[in-house]
Amino acid sequence: GAGVSQSPSNKVTEKGKDVELRCDPISGHTALYWYRQSLGQGLEFLIYFQGNSAPDKSGLPSDRFSAERTGGSVSTLTIQRTQQEDSAVYLCASSLGRNNEKLFFGSGTQLSVL
Amino acid sequence: DQQVKQNSPSLSVQEGRISILNCDYTNSMFDYFLWYKKYPAEGPTFLISISSIKDKNEDGRFTVFLNKSAKHLSLHIVPSQPGDSAVYFCAASRYSGGGADGLTFGKGTHLIIQP
Repeated sequence: GAGVSQSPSNKVTEKGKDVELRCDPISGHTALYWYRQSLGQGLEFLIYFQGNSAPDKSGLPSDRFSAERTGGSVSTLTIQRTQQEDSAVYLCASSLGRNNEKLFFGSGTQLSVL
Repeated sequence: DQQVKQNSPSLSVQEGRISILNCDYTNSMFDYFLWYKKYPAEGPTFLISISSIKDKNEDGRFTVFLNKSAKHLSLHIVPSQPGDSAVYFCAASRYSGGGADGLTFGKGTHLIIQP
């Protein structure tokens, strides 16, 4: 596609439920990143993929968070048993390669956990 | 411990004047710096970057200055236009090509351009 696409754009869920966020990167971009922006905070790095591989998962806030990428393209970020502190904008970005810091971001998913 | 600090949450500038957004960092290992711009309900977009081998990089109305000894960089926008109203994020990395997973972002400065 022309840009990075994320869905849904908004998600309201109840505490304890699982949610799945989707990211469709720019075609041909091998590197894909997930960030989180909580209210009044900067962008917090969560995880990146080079192809389908995620070499470093240490940025994930807890074991309730997981991510996968298939076919070197679409990625999903799953949050199990959501908590109120998970409420944030979840941003996906892609770049031509891992060694390129010029990221192209999607519009994000606004997650609200009630 | 915040390694990249943008101490002004917001900044208001009159249209046509110069906007100066500041960013300070504490990690002396940072060697490559970027600015991103974000409109409401959109993702950030890359604006301009600078490597530590330079002290200035210019792209049209946008200039970034780097003072390594002071661990300080600034983004100058001149002349400021209404479309420049957005949140600006400063980001730092240990080296160019180190991967965006190594980027540390500041909290952002909301620039408001007044007519």
